Amino acid sequence: ILNVEQSPQSLHVQEGDSTNFTCSFPSSNFYALHWYRWETAKSPEALFVMTLNGDEKKKGRISATLNTKEGYSYLYIKGSQPEDSATYLCASYSGGYQKVTFGTGTKLQVIP
Amino acid sequence: SQTIHQWPATLVQPVGSPLSLECTVEGTSNPNLYWYRQAAGRGLQLLFYSVGIGQISSEVPQNLSASRPQDRQFILSSKKLLLSDSGFYLCAWTGGLSSYNSPLHFGNGTRLTVT
Repeated sequence: ILNVEQSPQSLHVQEGDSTNFTCSFPSSNFYALHWYRWETAKSPEALFVMTLNGDEKKKGRISATLNTKEGYSYLYIKGSQPEDSATYLCASYSGGYQKVTFGTGTKLQVIP
Repeated sequence: SQTIHQWPATLVQPVGSPLSLECTVEGTSNPNLYWYRQAAGRGLQLLFYSVGIGQISSEVPQNLSASRPQDRQFILSSKKLLLSDSGFYLCAWTGGLSSYNSPLHFGNGTRLTVT
């Protein structure tokens, strides 16, 4: 994988459903993987910073895992709420500890 | 505490006109600075990043340029705008060495429309 890729591109879920997204990134020369939430009319805000293979991070109902050997990360949202509606971005530090490359994002809409 | 300022918030410019977007960071020294652009329906594209004064790395060869005249100032410029330059521009900063351990902090963005 040469670029940072996210899937799905968009997602509609009912309130209360659990969901997950995927981020694929170059596994060579890996430094870190970040997750951000980007709400409409706001700036992206960091959710997680992950650096070690096998890392698992959790913040409330949101959690993330990291596999640096195969180059993927999962973001999970348990019991989705309307306020979770946003675009979720992953960003990879691969190929240099200053160069940050973002995926195209997963747009989540939670329907009340 | 650290803050990042980006201006202007919105800009409408005709094709062929020049561009200057400015970003400044307060409350930290020697930050890594970044310019990103989101074109309509697309993700965040890295345009430039800088690890120090006068040090600019370009990711996208096009009619844009960046400069870092001071430690906490990052400027995005163009001599002649194209229609394809329209988009949402974000400036961001993070710590220096080992900055990958810290999240990016974004400005509020500039919505540029080239007409």
